[in-house]
Amino acid sequence: DAGVIQSPRHEVTEMGQEVTLRCKPISGHDYLFWYRQTMMRGLELLIYFNNNVPIDDSGMPEDRFSAKMPNASFSTLKIQPSEPRDSAVYFCASSHGKATEAFFGQGTRLTVV
Amino acid sequence: GQQVMQIPQYQHVQEGEDFTTYCNSSTTLSNIQWYKQRPGGHPVFLIQLVKSGEVKKQKRLTFQFGEAKKNSSLHITATQTTDVGTYFCAGKAGYALNFGKGTSLLVTP
Repeated sequence: DAGVIQSPRHEVTEMGQEVTLRCKPISGHDYLFWYRQTMMRGLELLIYFNNNVPIDDSGMPEDRFSAKMPNASFSTLKIQPSEPRDSAVYFCASSHGKATEAFFGQGTRLTVV
Repeated sequence: GQQVMQIPQYQHVQEGEDFTTYCNSSTTLSNIQWYKQRPGGHPVFLIQLVKSGEVKKQKRLTFQFGEAKKNSSLHITATQTTDVGTYFCAGKAGYALNFGKGTSLLVTP
C-alpha cells in the first residue's frame, strides 16, 4: 500500500480564495482524521470520520471550514474563504478501528497571502 | 476536555548524551501513543502503552506509562544525530488522538 496520500503537497493562495485539500486513506482503514499543525498550537484535531460518517467536528475552527468523505477512499477539507491565519500544515491520517496506530500522510503546506 | 502537556518544549544535547521528554494529562488515559516527526516530515508512530506502570524498550528508547495512567516519559540513551526531530505523546480520547505540543530534540555531533 502507498500509505495515506494527500494532495497537493503545497498550496499558495490569496486571501478570500477557496482551498480544497484532498486525502486518500489506506485501503481498509475505517477511521480518517484531519489535523492542522502550527508552531503556536501544535497538532490540532479538526475532524474525524468513521466509515465515512463525521463523528466529531468540534475542532473545526469555524464555518469557513468543511470536510466531506463521500466514500471510503476519499476525503476533502475545504476552506472558503481562506484567511492568512489558516496558513499551516494540514495532515490527514487513517487507522483501522481500534488498532494501535494512526498513519499520517505527508501533509499539505498551505500558505494564504 | 482532555489536555496533554509535554515538557520540555526544546532540548539541545551533544551526541552521546541522554534525553528525556515528559508527558502529562489532565485526565486518566486509556492508553498513550508516542510519535516522532523528522524536520519537514510527518508524524510516525513509535509505540503505544496501555497498562499502568508499563515500560517498553526499543533499542535505545525507553517508554514508561505512569501508575495512575496520567503521565508518560520517553528516554533516549546515548543520543545520535539520527534522533533529531520532534517527539509527540498523544492521549487516546475515544478513537481520536489528542497530541501534546511535542519536544523538539536537536543533537549536535
